[in-house]
Amino acid sequence: DGGITQSPKYLFRKEGQNVTLSCEQNLNHDAMYWYRQDPGQGLRLIYYSQIVNDFQKGDIAEGYSVSREKKESFPLTVTSAQKNPTAFYLCASSPRLAVSTDTQYFGPGTRLTVL
Amino acid sequence: QQQVKQSPQSLIVQKGGISIINCAYENTAFDYFPWYQQFPGKGPALLIAIRPDVSEKKEGRFTISFNKSAKQFSLHIMDSQPGDSATYFCAASRAGTALIFGKGTTLSVSS
Repeated sequence: DGGITQSPKYLFRKEGQNVTLSCEQNLNHDAMYWYRQDPGQGLRLIYYSQIVNDFQKGDIAEGYSVSREKKESFPLTVTSAQKNPTAFYLCASSPRLAVSTDTQYFGPGTRLTVL
Repeated sequence: QQQVKQSPQSLIVQKGGISIINCAYENTAFDYFPWYQQFPGKGPALLIAIRPDVSEKKEGRFTISFNKSAKQFSLHIMDSQPGDSATYFCAASRAGTALIFGKGTTLSVSS
């Protein structure tokens, strides 16, 4: 069963704690992305990666960090420096980054709530 | 700077009616314009996409109209159904970049 999996579906965190969101894909895609979704704000790009061991900041990278040690995995860490972390986080992947017409596929998302 | 502007923010359409969502972009280097559909609590899914070398693309009840000179594109949903009730996002990209999304339109189709 191919696709993108994100875990957990719901995540609760106390203020001041770091938390890591998981994203795994078995589509053999080179490019992976993290977006944040807030009501009325659309999808805003946090980080993206086009190959293993390489990643780039998106529009709202402050307070977040990522790693890309394996092609199929792109975890996102929400650090305590992120001032307003409560949001719906979406991971996506596409065959390549350099070809704009490649379809981007999304995972089911993780809803993070900071208590 | 918002590179892709989407309107309206919300839309209510009667069953069987036509839903129209509009997007405008600024960067003339964009060469790919997809529309995504998202149901509550789920990730977005690609609905239909167009490239700037064509003015219209139709897939079933969904049509994209593209106006390159006006830098605008729109999604038309014909014979709208309650199952079409969702949030719709337009997006744009160019080679070497990630998709840039509009802020979304929440569509409600009343039965």
